[in-house]
Amino acid sequence: EAGVVQSPRYKIIEKKQPVAFWCNPISGHNTLYWYRQNLGQGPELLIRYENEEAVDDSQLPKDRFSAERLKGVDSTLKIQPAELGDSAVYLCASSSPGTGFVVTQYFGPGTRLTVL
Amino acid sequence: LAKTTQPISMDSYEGQEVNITCSHNNIATNDYITWYQQFPSQGPRFIIQGYKTKVTNEVASLFIPADRKSSTLSLPRVSLSDTAVYYCLVGSGYSTLTFGKGTMLLVSP
Repeated sequence: EAGVVQSPRYKIIEKKQPVAFWCNPISGHNTLYWYRQNLGQGPELLIRYENEEAVDDSQLPKDRFSAERLKGVDSTLKIQPAELGDSAVYLCASSSPGTGFVVTQYFGPGTRLTVL
Repeated sequence: LAKTTQPISMDSYEGQEVNITCSHNNIATNDYITWYQQFPSQGPRFIIQGYKTKVTNEVASLFIPADRKSSTLSLPRVSLSDTAVYYCLVGSGYSTLTFGKGTMLLVSP
């Protein structure tokens, strides 16, 4: 079974430039998550999708960040314009409906963004 | 939302058993305890999950006391490749699963 696929793996841009990250979740997983991980910190949830619907985007900086999940499969996370503080690893994860109260997330390798 | 506390770092040697304890005093009735492992330049990887008592799989064991206010991840006979960051998460269903800073385990020869 293929895992969560993310691209690109690395991205270097200058500040004020736009950038986009792409994620393909595990087949059949209807829940998709985007996380940001700063150096030395744990991942921080940005947005969670249930199929096409963003059900939790409370931590997404909406002034510059946007996300979409058309057709409930692949997802794109965009930053425009990027700032120096956006340098981090952006992780995508997916999960299938849990059994009872149990949910297990499967993470992709992440995209390391460097903003100069 | 249950908050977790775990040691920042731990050191061990190859072949030893490692126990990482996580405190979660405000765990809710429906919450499960999940541990993830993260290697450099990779996303976190699910290790083990439990609700109470003891859970064991091919990688680790998870011990949860009756009051469920803490849990212990046990890694038997660690090797150099077990050097990683280990995260303890508490949550249920689709509630936000909050990652702390995790525990950096360093295994030496």
